[in-house]
Amino acid sequence: KAGVTQTPRYLIKTRGQQVTLSCSPISGHRSVSWYQQTPGQGLQFLFEYFSETQRNKGNFPGRFSGRQFSNSRSEMNVSTLELGDSALYLCASSLSRRNTEAFFGQGTRLTVV
Amino acid sequence: DAKTTQPNSMESNEEEPVHLPCNHSTISGTDYIHWYRQLPSQGPEYVIHGLTSNVNNRMASLAIAEDRKSSTLILHRATLRDAAVYYCTVSGATNKLIFGTGTLLAVQP
Repeated sequence: KAGVTQTPRYLIKTRGQQVTLSCSPISGHRSVSWYQQTPGQGLQFLFEYFSETQRNKGNFPGRFSGRQFSNSRSEMNVSTLELGDSALYLCASSLSRRNTEAFFGQGTRLTVV
Repeated sequence: DAKTTQPNSMESNEEEPVHLPCNHSTISGTDYIHWYRQLPSQGPEYVIHGLTSNVNNRMASLAIAEDRKSSTLILHRATLRDAAVYYCTVSGATNKLIFGTGTLLAVQP
């Protein structure tokens, strides 16, 4: 079956702009989580969505937001981009919420200039 | 959230077993231990997870200490394809994974 699909794969934005990243989970998976990966901070949890509701949120400013649609697809949005937002953004899908295997996409590489 | 501590790097020879340690001394009773690995330019890949008992799957084995404050990922016969960053993570009853800095495993032919 198809894996987790993230679009776009690469993105270059200017400081102050906003960006929307998309994630299509594996068919049948209802949980979608987002992570930010940077060389300095490593992999950090952003938020988790399940059944269109945010269930968990990491320690990120309010400029980072997300949503999940009825088909489980998810988007995350970053407003007023800063240089420090340059990172690999990873989406992971899971069948349920309880300690199941997470399948990661290849990520979206965001560069803020 | 429980934190994990791993060695920054380890080396192994091909065809030999590899034992990757992880400390998670602040783990709570209902937290699961997960292991993921990440190859360059790819997202993390699930390896194995467990709660209290040792676990085996086709990729690896997970040995969990009796007090659950540490665990060891065992690759029975390392191959060149196993060279990656291995992350030990701990999660509560949700899918929120707290990643540490990981162990960069180098496999020598």
